[in-house]
Amino acid sequence: QVQLQESGPGLVRPSQTLSLTCAVSGDSVISPDSYWSWIRQPPGKGLEWIGFIYSSGSTHYNPSLKSRLNISLDASKNHFSLKLASMTAADTALYYCVRGRPATRFDYWGQGTPVTVSS
Amino acid sequence: QSVLTQPPSASGTPGQRVTISCFGDTSNVGANYVYWYQQLPGTAPRLLIYSNNQRPSGVPDRFSGSKSGTSASLAISGLRSEDEGDYYCAAWDDRVLGGVLFGGGTKVTVL
Repeated sequence: QVQLQESGPGLVRPSQTLSLTCAVSGDSVISPDSYWSWIRQPPGKGLEWIGFIYSSGSTHYNPSLKSRLNISLDASKNHFSLKLASMTAADTALYYCVRGRPATRFDYWGQGTPVTVSS
Repeated sequence: QSVLTQPPSASGTPGQRVTISCFGDTSNVGANYVYWYQQLPGTAPRLLIYSNNQRPSGVPDRFSGSKSGTSASLAISGLRSEDEGDYYCAAWDDRVLGGVLFGGGTKVTVL
């Protein structure tokens, strides 16, 4: 059974960089069939795709976040990570890490980690 | 980045059939598979339909998907109280800086 678990700070100050990590079990982050995405959901709102990283290390980002975003993977720890710079209140959301097979077929989701941007 | 268009709400009584639409264009829904996700209150989303009309194992056959041109639909037949929640469509967008697009979500209420 594939499981994903997000970890990171629940509170980030405005203008700082958010760092989240997703630990994967039951699959390998370098599996050629899997795309590893981050998806977020602001309070009371809908889903927004942030970006994904493929096993080769290639990435594809949401154009609206591209300038602030970096997604990486660590095969030795079997996890992947998100860094989102210049955080504002608009980035307050529940952040999910998700497996895609292929990219848009999100078949396994983490439980989500809440992130609040506030001074 | 544009989103796919869904009605904000839909409702029905137990046993009824409810249909949710998802409108896109030739760069997303019209060109690629559509996926549907169910999000029950307080839980993470769950894959409901993939490749326009396929159900993952464990999804009841009360749920069905279809696509025609630049629009797609999710139908819930034999509506049950446990179906109450939010439903999202998603598709890949082929534009140069595209990516995954989600619909705005439809809240289904069982009356």
